[in-house]
Amino acid sequence: NAGVTQTPKFQVLKTGQSMTLQCAQDMNHNSMYWYRQDPGMGLRLIYYSASEGTTDKGEVPNGYNVSRLNKREFSLRLESAAPSQTSVYFCASSQYYSNQPQHFGDGTRLSIL
Amino acid sequence: DQQVKQNSPSLSVQEGRISILNCDYTNSMFDYFLWYKKYPAEGPTFLISISSIKDKNEDGRFTVFLNKSAKHLSLHIVPSQPGDSAVYFCAASPLLLSFGAGTTVTVRA
Repeated sequence: NAGVTQTPKFQVLKTGQSMTLQCAQDMNHNSMYWYRQDPGMGLRLIYYSASEGTTDKGEVPNGYNVSRLNKREFSLRLESAAPSQTSVYFCASSQYYSNQPQHFGDGTRLSIL
Repeated sequence: DQQVKQNSPSLSVQEGRISILNCDYTNSMFDYFLWYKKYPAEGPTFLISISSIKDKNEDGRFTVFLNKSAKHLSLHIVPSQPGDSAVYFCAASPLLLSFGAGTTVTVRA
């Protein structure tokens, strides 16, 4: 049982390059999320999708776009990468978007030079 | 402004003793609280949760206490084991989760 799968695990980009982070879950969850984790700041929500067909901004959405491709897949796109976007990115899913434990993938470590 | 705060970045405890992790929150609308555990190079794993209608929830070695008047949450791990060495995040929500910055727990043999 894979749970939440993120690809790639590591990536190095140059400033200005674009990239899409992929996330898929096999738990038939309705809601999916993208977070970034920076030292000393915990996890901050970038975007979320409460259900298939909907997406909404989280706490730190600037510089990112998302696509809920279907119920299983939720991708995060950096259109023009900046060094401030160097971080560890986590995708998560939950059955519903309120008062539910979220299940996380193992993260994508992204460095932007 | 962080609504969920873990003021102790690290905690060292001897194997077999109790680990107590603390978390404070500012938003009185929070009604659901969780603890996550994270190993290096892995994603956070859900550990235990509590709703605001309770003041205690227990699952094996892990107990979460909620003091709503003080807006304070704590996680007790008894007895602590080497495999408990990890980063622990508390989180809270009315709807979406807000996370604390984490506490790194080291269990000494």
